[in-house]
Amino acid sequence: EADIYQTPRYLVIGTGKKITLECSQTMGHDKMYWYQQDPGMELHLIHYSYGVNSTEKGDLSSESTVSRIRTEHFPLTLESARPSHTSQYLCASSEPGFSYEQYFGPGTRLTVT
Amino acid sequence: AQTVTQSQPEMSVQEAETVTLSCTYDTSESDYYLFWYKQPPSRQMILVIRQEAYKQQNATENRFSVNFQKAAKSFSLKISDSQLGDAAMYFCPANNNDMRFGAGTRLTVKP
Repeated sequence: EADIYQTPRYLVIGTGKKITLECSQTMGHDKMYWYQQDPGMELHLIHYSYGVNSTEKGDLSSESTVSRIRTEHFPLTLESARPSHTSQYLCASSEPGFSYEQYFGPGTRLTVT
Repeated sequence: AQTVTQSQPEMSVQEAETVTLSCTYDTSESDYYLFWYKQPPSRQMILVIRQEAYKQQNATENRFSVNFQKAAKSFSLKISDSQLGDAAMYFCPANNNDMRFGAGTRLTVKP
């Protein structure tokens, strides 16, 4: 399996809480991504990064923010969680260049009550 | 950016049989790669096979092969000798610097 990790794997929190989903990779990849995926449904790109100090918004409007201070680390933060944020969040990384595959983490399943 | 369409939300195949999953894409780019990814239930998404748009020869990886029709913008995945472990969601993103995933096809393998 790929060397990309996400914590926590499962999280249940109350509305209004601030949360950070962690994603780390040990492959030295410059590009990293966050996707949101409801079970069995398509992936929606919410954020991506080309490297340190680079962050971009994806296609899906999201109330989350990301940071990229270190190559290996790409955390996603929700300042105030809502039930509509209940979903699975997948982190991925890749080499630069479009010929390269993305390596995915195991995902964080978030439930906001 | 690219868009992909997987017209088969669900497919089913008998173990040891062959199944083909369809994918069409739309892009204005001249150079790009096409991928098939597999997402087993509760497990990580992994790459199954990739195809460079400039290569006419269809990619093959063991029991997995593609039928790439560039003019028709079609990129189907054929799974031969299906196994129970092939049961998963399958996605076919196209990539020219921006990877976009479609709705996926859920494959069920019947014993």
